[in-house]
Amino acid sequence: GDSVTQMEGPVTLSEEAFLTINCTYTATGYPSLFWYVQYPGEGLQLLLKATKADDKGSNKGFEATYRKETTSFHLEKGSVQVSDSAVYFCALKVNPGGYQKVTFGTGTKLQVIP
Amino acid sequence: GAVVSQHPSRVICKSGTSVKIECRSLDFQATTMFWYRQFPKQSLMLMATSNEGSKATYEQGVEKDKFLINHASLTLSTLTVTSAHPEDSSFYICSASADSGQPQHFGDGTRLSIL
Repeated sequence: GDSVTQMEGPVTLSEEAFLTINCTYTATGYPSLFWYVQYPGEGLQLLLKATKADDKGSNKGFEATYRKETTSFHLEKGSVQVSDSAVYFCALKVNPGGYQKVTFGTGTKLQVIP
Repeated sequence: GAVVSQHPSRVICKSGTSVKIECRSLDFQATTMFWYRQFPKQSLMLMATSNEGSKATYEQGVEKDKFLINHASLTLSTLTVTSAHPEDSSFYICSASADSGQPQHFGDGTRLSIL
């Protein structure tokens, strides 16, 4: 079945450090890939997405490239801020038989310290 | 790994009926469960957070009498959409965690269509 594997946290970084959160997936067909972010006390928010191979999603300084050859969608940011502290979820979406199926990773908690 | 089963995966029913969606943690005890709703072309919206044995905490704007949540055991939470109407048609997804600070494990989601 479909699955998403992301690195376990928590990840603790100093402000302005480089961030990478790894995400790999297995899926039948051609999934769309997403990163969601959950800030403390809030629900999930879509951070960025990519719908086909080699697409790069970007938002708020975060980037992720859809790598079909390595089945990966790693999240990166060049310089993190304290306000980026949150839980990040990698997810994929497929449409078997015409209906949507979304599979999430378990989330990676990021803590940025001043 | 931890598995969350959500049932049914898809349901189509007439306006005015009530629909129950189940969310089960199969191999761990879920102290906390979350219910989300996804509108077309939008991200997931947290509807409510439930802790086993206590009343769910609903997000602002979510009608608690419309969306009944029961978390009676450490492995089962249910969401009942009462007197459903076409505007309730959406994709509903649950997640469960062993504790509020632990990773969330998601179900596969339920596509609800109200005719």
